[in-house]
Amino acid sequence: AQSVTQPDIHITVSEGASLELRCNYSYGATPYLFWYVQSPGQGLQLLLKYFSGDTLVQGIKGFEAEFKRSQSSFNLRKPSVHWSDAAEYFCAVGAAGFNKFYFGSGTKLNVKP
Amino acid sequence: NAGVTQTPKFQVLKTGQSMTLQCAQDMNHEYMSWYRQDPGMGLRLIHYSVGAGITDQGEVPNGYNVSRSTTEDFPLRLLSAAPSQTSVYFCASSTTANNQPQHFGDGTRLSIL
Repeated sequence: AQSVTQPDIHITVSEGASLELRCNYSYGATPYLFWYVQSPGQGLQLLLKYFSGDTLVQGIKGFEAEFKRSQSSFNLRKPSVHWSDAAEYFCAVGAAGFNKFYFGSGTKLNVKP
Repeated sequence: NAGVTQTPKFQVLKTGQSMTLQCAQDMNHEYMSWYRQDPGMGLRLIHYSVGAGITDQGEVPNGYNVSRSTTEDFPLRLLSAAPSQTSVYFCASSTTANNQPQHFGDGTRLSIL
């Protein structure tokens, strides 16, 4: 069965500290992977995506993610968090030949001053 | 460029009432989908469409109907609203199904009393 797991419901980091949000997926086909960010009261905005090729992908707002096939993971990272990064982050997976995306349950990020 | 437009932004219904949530996109996207977002559960796919005249069920289709008479519009109908359908509903679109990121509307916050 297809699924996406984000094991951390809430994470709090200090401004300027590094960040890693975890995402594990279970998918029978070669996955297409995405990270989205949602600010309160807003829709979802794409941060980055992975289809193939280089397993380290760069996104907007200084975020990056690394695809590790052996671990079925696609963790999101940022070297130095800003207060404006406080939001909820969602990992999603799709696959060639399928018409459905699957989303994780989200990780809420709080940033301490 | 308006992107994906959802109306209304907020709605309160009584149990048993019917309602249609509107979604329109001006990007000529083939793929459109509806999700519901509930706390701790991420986004769950309700219905999706890969083009005009073609719809299919997602993970949680019960209690909802959709149609796709034009490329631009993808309305979601609640036939007889139930309190369990209280949620935030998001419409999304993309150029193709699963290997392109989806563009999201700002959501419709629906409460069923």
